Amino acid sequence: SAVISQKPSRDICQRGTSLTIQCQVDSQVTMMFWYRQQPGQSLTLIATANQGSEATYESGFVIDKFPISRPNLTFSTLTVSNMSPEDSSIYLCSVEAPSGGYTFGSGTRLTVV
Amino acid sequence: GDSVTQMEGPVTLSEEAFLTINCTYTATGYPSLFWYVQYPGEGLQLLLKATKADDKGSNKGFEATYRKETTSFHLEKGSVQVSDSAVYFCALSDGSGTYKYIFGTGTRLKVLA
Repeated sequence: SAVISQKPSRDICQRGTSLTIQCQVDSQVTMMFWYRQQPGQSLTLIATANQGSEATYESGFVIDKFPISRPNLTFSTLTVSNMSPEDSSIYLCSVEAPSGGYTFGSGTRLTVV
Repeated sequence: GDSVTQMEGPVTLSEEAFLTINCTYTATGYPSLFWYVQYPGEGLQLLLKATKADDKGSNKGFEATYRKETTSFHLEKGSVQVSDSAVYFCALSDGSGTYKYIFGTGTRLKVLA
């Protein structure tokens, strides 16, 4: 299955700033997914990123807050904008696995102070 | 809507003990069920899956049986090892062909030597 490299692995950011998370896949994939895992909670899908089109956002998530780029079939970025402490979470990217299910990156642990 | 409930952790066991992590679900359709594992510092990995009632998924000594009558998908292993220490997530996809997953909150397992 695909190998996903995600960076940074962790960061501590000041409120009001933005952080861009990168996700690189070792094979071409049509769809890439971005998830958020808030402390003590389950994973929540933020958006789906297709190459060459605007990302599709889930309810409760908006492009102004979480802009996503998908410049090619192996790469995507998620930006967390104008951060507040409530944005402190683990952010993960994922892709479909050929055998079913999904493969996830190692996650970015974000702390906003 | 669809949901997944799994037992709270942490679960602490001695090496070679029997493991059960409970997972129950609610779904209106015919979901596929998954267990994911997240080792420290790594991304989520698909551990096993079952796509229809009475299917048994198995991998690395772990097993889970899709029980439609009890809406459960409990994870079991007969003899745990220290290397099994991780966070385990139960998840479902709604079976409609969409990519959307519903995840449980995760159960941390700690195995002591």
